[in-house]
Amino acid sequence: DTGVSQDPRHKITKRGQNVTFRCDPISEHNRLYWYRQTLGQGPEFLTYFQNEAQLEKSRLLSDRFSAERPKGSFSTLEIQRTEQGDSAMYLCASSTGGVGKLFFGSGTQLSVL
Amino acid sequence: AQTVTQSQPEMSVQEAETVTLSCTYDTSESDYYLFWYKQPPSRQMILVIRQEAYKQQNATENRFSVNFQKAAKSFSLKISDSQLGDAAMYFCAYRRPTGGGADGLTFGKGTHLIIQP
Repeated sequence: DTGVSQDPRHKITKRGQNVTFRCDPISEHNRLYWYRQTLGQGPEFLTYFQNEAQLEKSRLLSDRFSAERPKGSFSTLEIQRTEQGDSAMYLCASSTGGVGKLFFGSGTQLSVL
Repeated sequence: AQTVTQSQPEMSVQEAETVTLSCTYDTSESDYYLFWYKQPPSRQMILVIRQEAYKQQNATENRFSVNFQKAAKSFSLKISDSQLGDAAMYFCAYRRPTGGGADGLTFGKGTHLIIQP
């Protein structure tokens, strides 16, 4: 069990650029979640997958955001035309389903200049 | 919509003492789940303890225990024999029951716990 892995750990980009983050969940976990955490706040739910199916998206996930989980393994979160308000830490978590324990990665810290 | 409120932005406790972190929540559901997560400087969220709303018995995990008051919608975390490694941000979180649609956790804003040696 190598834990949930996120890449990159830090990303600095200019406003208007596109960015993509990757999350590798624990191998036997079929559920994968994306959260966003801004300074001084708790994580906010963005979306989740059961296997390759994206089952729910938060209102926070504007049309500039897209997430995929091809083949039900790793997931990517892409932000198009980044804005300064997108600066945050993006956390990924995985679980075995039901109300199982969520295992979180260490996050990707995005700074939009 | 569910909301989770943590009214203590920061708490400080002497090593080996006991501290209680407060959390209240708002929901119209009768069945749900409550959690306390710890986020150390490494940023990785770690589950501390979980409580099912249908269980009257308060959850306990070693030095960590909760006081779950369903009618008052209160869910506090007690840490006994505080250790330096307990220093972190602590987040209270709520989850609707499975099959209810929203599968994500709703988190509070967190309490920064400082352990004084």
